[in-house]
Amino acid sequence: LAKTTQPISMDSYEGQEVNITCSHNNIATNDYITWYQQFPSQGPRFIIQGYKTKVTNEVASLFIPADRKSSTLSLPRVSLSDTAVYYCLVAEAAGNKLTFGGGTRVLVKP
Amino acid sequence: DTAVSQTPKYLVTQMGNDKSIKCEQNLGHDTMYWYKQDSKKFLKIMFSYNNKELIINETVPNRFSPKSPDKAHLNLHINSLELGDSAVYFCASSQEGAIMNTEAFFGQGTRLTVV
Repeated sequence: LAKTTQPISMDSYEGQEVNITCSHNNIATNDYITWYQQFPSQGPRFIIQGYKTKVTNEVASLFIPADRKSSTLSLPRVSLSDTAVYYCLVAEAAGNKLTFGGGTRVLVKP
Repeated sequence: DTAVSQTPKYLVTQMGNDKSIKCEQNLGHDTMYWYKQDSKKFLKIMFSYNNKELIINETVPNRFSPKSPDKAHLNLHINSLELGDSAVYFCASSQEGAIMNTEAFFGQGTRLTVV
């Protein structure tokens, strides 16, 4: 199983870039890396997904080095509404298993 | 329109009771899931169904039984509830059956409290 490890919490300020790194040392060849955002009393919401190198969408970027043993979610110019828990997820092709990390609680301050 | 809806949102019940949580998705997805989120916010998959067929069944007590009458619904029935079953249960759905390259849509969650 590709266990994921990510920081428990991070603080930031409005307008700054937030980078959250997730470790997944045992990731397998066909596994994908996905990040979700969760606000209190809501279900997780998909942010971005990637396999290798860099992926960018309208809300975030995902950087994956060549060895794919880690990934970094980058949130540009965060606002107060970006305060949430961010989960790193490795979707394992073998056995169709989904493995969530413990989540990183990001607090954006004024 | 709510994409993935689950009912009830809150459920308080006594130990030993049997309860059900219902989930419906109107996204036309083929695959549905049940997740459990504990008090420490860890999210763990419990079950996954693809076109009404079970494809993931994690190590979950057999008191938990999912039922999928059609691909738009995946209900979760729990027998003989225990204190440790208290958690937030999330239903989700996705388009692809191969879950490693897909986006899952989650419901709002059902907070189950067993007293």
